Amino acid sequence: GQQVMQIPQYQHVQEGEDFTTYCNSSTTLSNIQWYKQRPGGHPVFLIQLVKSGEVKKQKRLTFQFGEAKKNSSLHITATQTTDVGTYFCAIGDRYNQGGKLIFGQGTELSVKP
Amino acid sequence: KAGVTQTPRYLIKTRGQQVTLSCSPISGHRSVSWYQQTPGQGLQFLFEYFSETQRNKGNFPGRFSGRQFSNSRSEMNVSTLELGDSALYLCASSPLPGSTYNEQFFGPGTRLTVL
Repeated sequence: GQQVMQIPQYQHVQEGEDFTTYCNSSTTLSNIQWYKQRPGGHPVFLIQLVKSGEVKKQKRLTFQFGEAKKNSSLHITATQTTDVGTYFCAIGDRYNQGGKLIFGQGTELSVKP
Repeated sequence: KAGVTQTPRYLIKTRGQQVTLSCSPISGHRSVSWYQQTPGQGLQFLFEYFSETQRNKGNFPGRFSGRQFSNSRSEMNVSTLELGDSALYLCASSPLPGSTYNEQFFGPGTRLTVL
């Protein structure tokens, strides 16, 4: 079935350092979503990317969608302890007419103050 | 607006039993999806309901079933529980069907432990 590979699995950073997580697909995507899950919490929607080469910013977070629409990244500038959590990308299953989200394995971010 | 609510929040069952989990979507949301989250398999799609109809189903055995009521509330049932069914079960709602294109609002989840 369709898959999306997300790396790295874990990232430990010192507060103030930058952080990036990547998602890669072998097939062209129609769009990609990003979610954040705090420890003990539930996934919270961050953003959706649709256009080839799209770049969107939310304060210190920058989201990119590749030109070929096969990869995406989330970059956090100058991490803070509030950024701790697991970041997931999610794509649609092309065989289910948009009704099934496939999540990456997630990147768990820990921030040392 | 109140968020997605799920009941119960925690559940302990033994192998062979069955369990029913409940989800109330955000008011006005008619699409409800269910996900299973485990450390090993991550977040996996179970099914999606819209207007009381199952639109999509994930790759889970028939022991996993669900339904949606006319008020959009949804339940999922797992029969003949196995140890591997221990997981966090998350419900997500959105105004429209097709979770690929619509922001999903997740509930806090039900933590199921099978002994």
